[in-house]
Amino acid sequence: QSALTQPASVSGSPGQSITISCTGTSSDIGSHYLVSWYQQHPGKVPKLMIHEVTERPSGVSNRFSGSKSGNTASLTISGLQAEDEADYYCCSYAGGTNVIFGGGTKLTVL
Amino acid sequence: QVQLQQSGPGLVKPSQTLSLTCAVSGDSVSSSTATWSWVRQSPSRGLEWLGRTYYRSKWYYDYALSVKSRLAIYPDISKNQFSLQLNSVTPEDTAVYYCVRDRSGFKWYFDLWGRGILVTVSS
Repeated sequence: QSALTQPASVSGSPGQSITISCTGTSSDIGSHYLVSWYQQHPGKVPKLMIHEVTERPSGVSNRFSGSKSGNTASLTISGLQAEDEADYYCCSYAGGTNVIFGGGTKLTVL
Repeated sequence: QVQLQQSGPGLVKPSQTLSLTCAVSGDSVSSSTATWSWVRQSPSRGLEWLGRTYYRSKWYYDYALSVKSRLAIYPDISKNQFSLQLNSVTPEDTAVYYCVRDRSGFKWYFDLWGRGILVTVSS
């Protein structure tokens, strides 16, 4: 099973909105509403930001939102803040007992 | 507060067995809703789910195809922990290994992560 495809990097200025895409196939993202997103600061542990495509865990800022269309899921961060600078990973259930991650996107806040 | 406390060696020789343990506090490894997984992260392979265990009247075990022949994950109810054993390791198994919880059970999202252990496979 190939990894999900994410852009290597995205950037934005404070206050702006950015969107990170995550492209899979009809066997994973396209077939299930089980997409999650993780934020990882350098040297830190991944943190769950979004689950089940659009659901935000308690404590996660409402500036983070998720969506899905066809085989592509997206994470949008609005009102960018310096603390949002991190790596972001998508993850999707892929059937059976199979889950796959994206290669990660480095977000730079200019 | 739920925590996952990992332990194990940071260096393993090629062809030997990698063993890690994850102690659970604030939750039960025998939970009827959660599942308990191992995920690893390396520059070459990125994030990779390895396998999981969970209890639903009996114990279940699922493994990623990439490691299925070499991996065992098993619970220790008396110590409220679960462990990973990866046999016949090679330098490609060098990675940070995380134990993680999926509190939903079957919605495949990982809400709690251990701190991670960097395991290097080298002679």
